Amino acid sequence: EIVLTQSPTTIAASPGEKVTITCRASSSVSYMYWYQQKSGASPKLWIYDTSKLASGVPNRFSGSGSGTSYSLTINTMETEDAATYYCQQWSSTPPTFGSGTKLEIK
Amino acid sequence: QVQLKESGPGLVQPSQTLSLTCTVAGFSLTSYNVHWVRQPPGKGLEWMGVIWNTGGTRYNSALKSRLSISKDTSKSQVFLKMNSLQTEDTATYYCARDPNWEFFDYWGQGVMVTVSS
Repeated sequence: EIVLTQSPTTIAASPGEKVTITCRASSSVSYMYWYQQKSGASPKLWIYDTSKLASGVPNRFSGSGSGTSYSLTINTMETEDAATYYCQQWSSTPPTFGSGTKLEIK
Repeated sequence: QVQLKESGPGLVQPSQTLSLTCTVAGFSLTSYNVHWVRQPPGKGLEWMGVIWNTGGTRYNSALKSRLSISKDTSKSQVFLKMNSLQTEDTATYYCARDPNWEFFDYWGQGVMVTVSS
């Protein structure tokens, strides 16, 4: 199965700061998907097809990448963005998730 | 609108069988696949398995010997059964829909299951 490695594990950012989370795959994948999960809530689809924002996602978020390296970027951090973000692939079955990046407000 | 809701016991004894139900609304189980994903407290997401819209199934190889997923299309329900539960199976269990064999667009609220005597 394809293993997804996210970095960093935890990051603290100040409001207005730019934030980048990376996800590296053990084999090449066609697309990467990202989910946002806030404490006590279920995950929400955040970015699909590597760079497309899910409905309602602010345009300060963006996704990019190809092959084995992908990233999620927040152009200007806001307090509401504090959450854990997971990457996910399904280029090969089983679908797998990264271990998550916890984003905190500084 | 699309909804998924998990239900089941909050507490299961070690070695017993876990039975969960995912009741869906707003879409047909004959058109969409439904997955089970779990999350131990404070940890990440683990894909457990899927029931395809056609009724076929696929399981995480680590759970395959203990896991069964089925559905009742007429009742819009998907079922998970997992036997020989251990404390490490303590987790929040989610069902989620996939629209196109790529990602999960809707998730249930999750049900917390504790394995303890």
